[in-house]
Amino acid sequence: TQLLEQSPQFLSIQEGENLTVYCNSSSVFSSLQWYRQEPGEGPVLLVTVVTGGEVKKLKRLTFQFGDARKDSSLHITAAQPGDTGLYLCAGPPNSGYALNFGKGTSLLVTP
Amino acid sequence: GAGVSQSPSNKVTEKGKDVELRCDPISGHTALYWYRQSLGQGLEFLIYFQGNSAPDKSGLPSDRFSAERTGGSVSTLTIQRTQQEDSAVYLCASSLRAGVHEAFFGQGTRLTVV
Repeated sequence: TQLLEQSPQFLSIQEGENLTVYCNSSSVFSSLQWYRQEPGEGPVLLVTVVTGGEVKKLKRLTFQFGDARKDSSLHITAAQPGDTGLYLCAGPPNSGYALNFGKGTSLLVTP
Repeated sequence: GAGVSQSPSNKVTEKGKDVELRCDPISGHTALYWYRQSLGQGLEFLIYFQGNSAPDKSGLPSDRFSAERTGGSVSTLTIQRTQQEDSAVYLCASSLRAGVHEAFFGQGTRLTVV
């Protein structure tokens, strides 16, 4: 199993602050995905990064895929309470089809 | 439907009883996955269906767990003789086809075994 380690596990910040969360592995992935999960809901796909060194922006969210395709980061600028949720990274396996998920970063943004 | 639909949303059952969880994937999606999410844990893969191919059951934790997918659409996850450690949120997801890894999740079924 290709493990994905996410850090930090928990993050509590105030509205307007910036933050970065990380997803690391010792394995190379062909792509990595980021999902956000709100309480009582299933995860929702935010972005897929495919190319080493790739940077994708989604409004105030910036996603980066490491050059070696072993890690990824998510940076949020000027966090808002609506950003609160569990952020999960996931990658496809070398064999089979089921995505490998990290344990997630639980983010709380207070007004 | 427009999204992945799961039922029931919540299920409380007594230890030793059997439960069935249902998943209705997005129309046209041939790949379907079941995951389990326990408090403080990531998503644990249970089983994967792709079209009419034999399912990948490698994630099922015991022989009390089984799943089927009828007609390439609706799937049912069955847990027999439930145990307290089975308490978790069971998530179903679908994707367009094998190898297309963008997964669309349902809202999950929260199972509580008392």
